[in-house]
Amino acid sequence: DVKVTQSSRYLVKRTGEKVFLECVQDMDHENMFWYRQDPGLGLRLIYFSYDVKMKEKGDIPEGYSVSREKKERFSLILESASTNQTSMYLCASSWVASGTYEQYFGPGTRLTVT
Amino acid sequence: SQQGEEDPQALSIQEGENATMNCSYKTSINNLQWYRQNSGRGLVHLILIRSNEREKHSGRLRVTLDTSKKSSSLLITASRAADTASYFCFSSGGYNKLIFGAGTRLAVHP
Repeated sequence: DVKVTQSSRYLVKRTGEKVFLECVQDMDHENMFWYRQDPGLGLRLIYFSYDVKMKEKGDIPEGYSVSREKKERFSLILESASTNQTSMYLCASSWVASGTYEQYFGPGTRLTVT
Repeated sequence: SQQGEEDPQALSIQEGENATMNCSYKTSINNLQWYRQNSGRGLVHLILIRSNEREKHSGRLRVTLDTSKKSSSLLITASRAADTASYFCFSSGGYNKLIFGAGTRLAVHP
């Protein structure tokens, strides 16, 4: 079974803090994704990476950055957390070869910024 | 916004009934996918239909795709309480056209 793990299920941070969300996948997938999920808005793509050190902005990259130093690990960084970044964050991965972007998701991190 | 749209937003049915949810998307696609999310298993891929296909079946799931109308539907037949979840469509048109819908919340009552 493909496994995508995220470092925390729940996280509480203060406004202005730098926040790191970690994601690890064990299936040698080339593609990795970070989404945020908010009620009524579905999932919105923050950043996408198709290879080590490569990244593409998604629909809502403002206030976020990412890092991919190893193929299996993709980190989402909130440089200075704000209350409007309180959300559920979902990481996913997929194979490039399939060409379909069929994704495997982690369990999510519910982040609260106070 | 490029966000996909789904309707209904919420659906409540009895066990044994069929559930139909619809999805509309805005960009050209290579394929359209449906995912399910419940509290127990997170977000899980259900089925994929390619842009050159019109209908696809998998167990109790039936998906249709109308690229001329940019729409898709997911039918779950003979629903069970375990089908209670949120269902999301995902339109895939290349790395810069990856869009989820807002989701349909399905409640199946015993």
